[in-house]
Amino acid sequence: GQNIDQPTEMTATEGAIVQINCTYQTSGFNGLFWYQQHAGEAPTFLSYNVLDGLEEKGRFSSFLSRSKGYSYLLLKELQMKDSASYLCAVMTGRDDKIIFGKGTRLHILP
Amino acid sequence: KAGVTQTPRYLIKTRGQQVTLSCSPISGHRSVSWYQQTPGQGLQFLFEYFSETQRNKGNFPGRFSGRQFSNSRSEMNVSTLELGDSALYLCASSPGTARNYGYTFGSGTRLTVV
Repeated sequence: GQNIDQPTEMTATEGAIVQINCTYQTSGFNGLFWYQQHAGEAPTFLSYNVLDGLEEKGRFSSFLSRSKGYSYLLLKELQMKDSASYLCAVMTGRDDKIIFGKGTRLHILP
Repeated sequence: KAGVTQTPRYLIKTRGQQVTLSCSPISGHRSVSWYQQTPGQGLQFLFEYFSETQRNKGNFPGRFSGRQFSNSRSEMNVSTLELGDSALYLCASSPGTARNYGYTFGSGTRLTVV
């Protein structure tokens, strides 16, 4: 079966660092995405990892370990606007179907 | 460059009715995927169309169907609506594959079934 797990909610303080974990078990793996979704808005693309290791993009970094079925999204220098849901998604199968986890709602406190 | 456009934005329907939702992908994008988003289940994959053919399908009942036209615009239809079909329906497009850049999502259609 296909399963993607991530924490339901997390809380962090403005200016701090937070790590959102994602574990997955899928039949086939063609890459892992992270999306950000603000309340009432469409998800927006943050990152794509297909090889093991860390990809850094400004304040956001994403890590992948294929052997462990594990990824994390690291957010540095948190800002109030980072309050959102963060969705982990895995691309799988011959036709690159994308399956999403249920998302992690991140609350930023001043 | 225009984004992914979904119409209508909001819809209220009665149980037993049917509904058709529309999605216009980014110009040049040939793949369109549909997702249902609810607070309890998150984003659940409905189906994907590429060049007018259904390429992937999720685990939804046959009441949910879709199609894609030659201009890549897509529609999804839900027949015999149930209360549990109330959700945000998101459409997403990609050039052909979502590798590297993922999908671009539309703002969604909020369907309420009463």
